[in-house]
Amino acid sequence: GAGVSQSPSNKVTEKGKDVELRCDPISGHTALYWYRQSLGQGLEFLIYFQGNSAPDKSGLPSDRFSAERTGGSVSTLTIQRTQQEDSAVYLCASSLDGLNEQFFGPGTRLTVL
Amino acid sequence: AQSVTQLGSHVSVSEGALVLLRCNYSSSVPPYLFWYVQYPNQGLQLLLKYTSAATLVKGINGFEAEFKKSETSFHLTKPSAHMSDAAEYFCAVSGSSGNTPLVFGKGTRLSVIA
Repeated sequence: GAGVSQSPSNKVTEKGKDVELRCDPISGHTALYWYRQSLGQGLEFLIYFQGNSAPDKSGLPSDRFSAERTGGSVSTLTIQRTQQEDSAVYLCASSLDGLNEQFFGPGTRLTVL
Repeated sequence: AQSVTQLGSHVSVSEGALVLLRCNYSSSVPPYLFWYVQYPNQGLQLLLKYTSAATLVKGINGFEAEFKKSETSFHLTKPSAHMSDAAEYFCAVSGSSGNTPLVFGKGTRLSVIA
């Protein structure tokens, strides 16, 4: 079956603009994760959705970052008023039930000019 | 709190030589441990995972790792390196309750020299 997909693959934006990044998890996976990969910080957890439970937002670096997951499937990560330090690759992963292997998407490379 | 330390940001080996990538973890709960590989401009692919069963775990592409609780280590090995093994390798830990995000090490870039 299809893996985790993310769009766009690349996004270039100007400082101060808002961006939305999309993740389509593997069908039937109840757990969805967002991570950020940057040169200085490595791979960092951002937010985690598990079924209908309240999301774990403990990794979000500021209130400019938010995410939602509609219908237990597609997720959108929104970054408001982007800053240059937001430049990174944003990775999405899904898991069957949060207890098993996480499958990663190819990522969205965000560049803030 | 959980953390992972990968010793060596860059490891270079000759083709056919042993690959050893080091990972030490810290966890206040019994851990699940993972090794992921990332090829250029691609996402992460799971190589292998430890989930409290056998301490020696075999993964894809000839890689294996051994969980050593006394040393809090989960080093990745492969007997004979191939050119295609050149990539970035990440060790990660999560709590054995499962419902926790992965905590990653900084990664080790493996170069294979012909």
